[in-house]
Amino acid sequence: AQSVAQPEDQVNVAEGNPLTVKCTYSVSGNPYLFWYVQYPNRGLQFLLKYITGDNLVKGSYGFEAEFNKSQTSFHLKKPSALVSDSALYFCAVRPYNQGGKLIFGQGTELSVKP
Amino acid sequence: DSGVTQTPKHLITATGQRVTLRCSPRSGDLSVYWYQQSLDQGLQFLIQYYNGEERAKGNILERFSAQQFPDLHSELNLSSLELGDSALYFCASSEGPGGVNTGELFFGEGSRLTVL
Repeated sequence: AQSVAQPEDQVNVAEGNPLTVKCTYSVSGNPYLFWYVQYPNRGLQFLLKYITGDNLVKGSYGFEAEFNKSQTSFHLKKPSALVSDSALYFCAVRPYNQGGKLIFGQGTELSVKP
Repeated sequence: DSGVTQTPKHLITATGQRVTLRCSPRSGDLSVYWYQQSLDQGLQFLIQYYNGEERAKGNILERFSAQQFPDLHSELNLSSLELGDSALYFCASSEGPGGVNTGELFFGEGSRLTVL
């Protein structure tokens, strides 16, 4: 079965510090990986995706993610966190040959304190 | 604004009742997806339609059904509602049907269903 796991329910970071939100995946074939963010009472917003190519993917709002095939990981990173980055972050995988659906992880609550 | 429109935003109903949630996809997108978000189950994929045809099916209950109309809008019908059906229901859209060139999903703001 194809899946993603987010091992941390919550990540706490001080404003200005770097942040990392972890994601590991399990897929058959080439992985198509995504990160989304959800603010309270809002829909999910696309941040970035990895399909192929460079292992470091740059996305919206200064976020980036590093694809690591040997560790089957796709961690989300940002060099300097903002209070406004506080939200729920989801990692997702598109399974091979199952339409366009995304399978989401359980989400990680990011809290950035001033 | 993602360009995906969902109505109604909030809905309160009683057990045993039936409701219909509506979704208009982003202009140009042919695929529509339905997801259910709850605290205990997280984000669960329900079903995908592409250009009017069912493309992929997930954990959708038999009491639930969906369709995509010729103008590409979609409706999710929930019947014989139970307390456990209370959740946030999201619609999303994408350009393609699946695979590497499908692109990302664009999500609506959701319809919050409360079953009393």
